[in-house]
Order: sequence, then C-alpha cells, then structure tokens
Amino acid sequence: RKEVEQDPGPFNVPEGATVAFNCTYSNSASQSFFWYRQDCRKEPKLLMSVYSSGNEDGRFTAQLNRASQYISLLIRDSKLSDSATYLCVVNNWGNKLVFGAGTILRVKS
Amino acid sequence: IAGITQAPTSQILAAGRRMTLRCTQDMRHNAMYWYRQDLGLGLRLIHYSNTAGTTGKGEVPDGYSVSRANTDDFPLTLASAVPSQTSVYFCASSDAPGLANTGELFFGEGSRLTVL
Repeated sequence: RKEVEQDPGPFNVPEGATVAFNCTYSNSASQSFFWYRQDCRKEPKLLMSVYSSGNEDGRFTAQLNRASQYISLLIRDSKLSDSATYLCVVNNWGNKLVFGAGTILRVKS
Repeated sequence: IAGITQAPTSQILAAGRRMTLRCTQDMRHNAMYWYRQDLGLGLRLIHYSNTAGTTGKGEVPDGYSVSRANTDDFPLTLASAVPSQTSVYFCASSDAPGLANTGELFFGEGSRLTVL
C-alpha cells in the first residue's frame, strides 16, 4: 500500500464549479500535511499547509481528519488557472516529505 | 533571486554512461533533496542532505550518489546509467530540516533525463 494515496483523476469541471479532492495516508504517526500544486512540465510549489482545525486561503479550504487518516482540498469558484496537478504531501518522522502521485484538475470554460 | 538552478534541463544518455546532474541554490538553505518523478508514482526521494558535509539515503537511492561539499551545491551522480533511471529529476531545498519543517520545499525546474 502506498504511504499517500490520491485519486489520479482527471477531474473535469466547468468554470465556477466547486471541486474537492481527498487523500489518504497510511502512517498514523504522520506529523504534518500539505497540498502542493504542479503545473504541466513545471516544478511543484507549496499551495497550503493543512492544520488540524482546518484552514482556508481564499477559494481554497484544506481539512485534516486524523481519525480516518485523510486530508481534503476544496476549491470553490474554479478558475481556468486552477488547472494543474494537486499533490498531497505528508511529513512523517524526520524531514522527509512523502508525496502522493497527484490529482489532475482540468477547469474548462 | 534565482532560487534553485538545475542543469542540464534535458539530456539523452546512453546506458552505462556516467552522468552528474547539477543543483545550486542561493537561499542559504541548510537542507537539500533530490527527487525523481515518474508517471503514476509521484515524487520519490533519492538522497537528501540536512546540512553541508552530511548526506542520507531516501526511498530509492540505488544507482545514485550525492555529495554536499558546501551549502549551495548538491550534485547527483549516476555512476552507470540504466534505462530505468529515465525520469524527471527535481532538486529541492528547505530552510529547516526535521519536524520543524514548514513543509515548504523550493524546487528547481527539473532535469529531464532519458537513458537509452
């Protein structure tokens, strides 16, 4: 079983739609959690951290469920520019981040 | 500010050849990392370095070696390339290794390597 699992998608949504991605992790001792964004043929970049109480950054909301070991990312009012691959990332003990394979989002006009 | 610079951006290499991927950062970050990214597998850690003079093995270290002679440079060497090492390689850095890590890795633009 992979340490971090994501639905690869693609999720095809119209502009203005709300879309949600889930990610599950296997290590119950995982310490911290993040979402990264990766544009086609580009490097990954940090989108947001995921806090236990949930957190919001504009149209993006991240939530953590430690009991069920999953993380979610909600994008409201999708824009064409949101089209990318979203990577779920987990920090286990130590400084080594474990990346999911990513979920592809395509926002269409 | 350049951030992280990788070279070459793309390379086709014959199997059995030696290859070094270069990585330089100008952010004075202590920790540096090499990942490979393959379709369906995501980013996998090859080697890392918490500080100059130290290195450690990641998830997929076999066939690769690294050195960290100074803070800025972290080259990755393939001693004898094999086709399974065809991948996109990303170098990254962070300012704080360990659990205090904010989770923000700064990545280079990647090196696309094809081994024939």
